[in-house]
Amino acid sequence: EAGVAQSPRYKIIEKRQSVAFWCNPISGHATLYWYQQILGQGPKLLIQFQNNGVVDDSQLPKDRFSAERLKGVDSTLKIQPAKLEDSAVYLCASSLVVGGSTYEQYFGPGTRLTVT
Amino acid sequence: AQSVAQPEDQVNVAEGNPLTVKCTYSVSGNPYLFWYVQYPNRGLQFLLKYITGDNLVKGSYGFEAEFNKSQTSFHLKKPSALVSDSALYFCAVRGFGKLIFGAGTRLAVHP
Repeated sequence: EAGVAQSPRYKIIEKRQSVAFWCNPISGHATLYWYQQILGQGPKLLIQFQNNGVVDDSQLPKDRFSAERLKGVDSTLKIQPAKLEDSAVYLCASSLVVGGSTYEQYFGPGTRLTVT
Repeated sequence: AQSVAQPEDQVNVAEGNPLTVKCTYSVSGNPYLFWYVQYPNRGLQFLLKYITGDNLVKGSYGFEAEFNKSQTSFHLKKPSALVSDSALYFCAVRGFGKLIFGAGTRLAVHP
């Protein structure tokens, strides 16, 4: 079974530029998550989708971050414009059911973003 | 508020010795608890979870965790550590419909 795929693996941009990350979840997983992991911290949930609908985006900085999951499969996370404090690893995860309450989440390798 | 604390930034253990990585939690209602491991340049991998039932939960790679409700703890354990167990370990609790992660504990197993 293929795992969660993410691209790119690394990205370096200057502040005020824009960037986009792509995620392809495990086939059949209805729920998709985007996390931000700042160095030295645990992952923090940014947004959660079930199929192509948003379940939770309470911690997404909506003035600069946006995400979509068209057709309920792949997802894209965008930052525009980027700030220095956005430097982090962006992790995508998927699970079988809404909220993953008792089902584990499967994580992709992440995209390491450096904003200079 | 739902939260997780991992009191140790780093744990050092000799290969072959038992290891413990500590986790305490704060949650209203019944806790759903998880352990994940992160190797360099890789995403998090699921190790084990506690939902209900036996307080001792067995997981992947020989790891187990002990749920203690009175101490609100969910410590990760392994009877005999391997050098390949060296990684970053995260405890997580389900709260408000989402996973809330601790800051992580770096495990270093020395030959």
